[in-house]
Amino acid sequence: QVQLVQSGTEVKKPGASVRVSCKASGYTFTAYGVGWVRQAPGQGPEWMGWISVYTGNTNYAQKFQGRVTMTTDTSTSTTYMELRSLRSDDTAVYFCARDRVGYSSGPYNFDSWGQGTLVTVSS
Amino acid sequence: AIQLTQSPSSLSASVGDRVTITCRASQGISSALAWYQQKPGKPPRLLIYDASILESGVPSRFSGSGSGTDFTLTISSLQPEDFATYYCQQFNSYVLTFGGGTKLEIK
Repeated sequence: QVQLVQSGTEVKKPGASVRVSCKASGYTFTAYGVGWVRQAPGQGPEWMGWISVYTGNTNYAQKFQGRVTMTTDTSTSTTYMELRSLRSDDTAVYFCARDRVGYSSGPYNFDSWGQGTLVTVSS
Repeated sequence: AIQLTQSPSSLSASVGDRVTITCRASQGISSALAWYQQKPGKPPRLLIYDASILESGVPSRFSGSGSGTDFTLTISSLQPEDFATYYCQQFNSYVLTFGGGTKLEIK
């Protein structure tokens, strides 16, 4: 079955960077894009961006442009999300999610999700 | 970016009730809308995509309708496991946004 397993909890100081990993299994990794969504405490989901595993193309939400980088490693079926210049309002649970549509040119919606990674930014 | 406004923000209902949640887009998005269910401490679960198509494995008591700017999610007969928060999400022009959520609570 499709499974996305994320790396563990992170605690960072303001100004630092964090990299969250998302290891996929149970499907053809290169066929589906992977999106990243975060959720601050008590808030709704917020889309951060998406990467086509097939082409390496990325599509970042304007809010995160210049501060986020998404990459993939096809040899390990892992996707990474790096967020830089962390602030306290970046404290959130970060999810990776597989796009429902294979070989797509951009994100649609997400049919399988990782378990989430809590990132806490605090001095 | 396209804004999605959900109503109500919270709703109390009983097992067996029929419930409708609405999602309004700030501009037309054709049928580029999905619905998710989320329970505490869990990731969202895709219920409906392309406004009205039921995701595999989702019970048939869930249904979606609408196009353009106005959409609805209906649960025909609430079950205990349906009490959760529901979000709409649009994907017009490959820029995604989520609605603010509707928390469905037991009356």
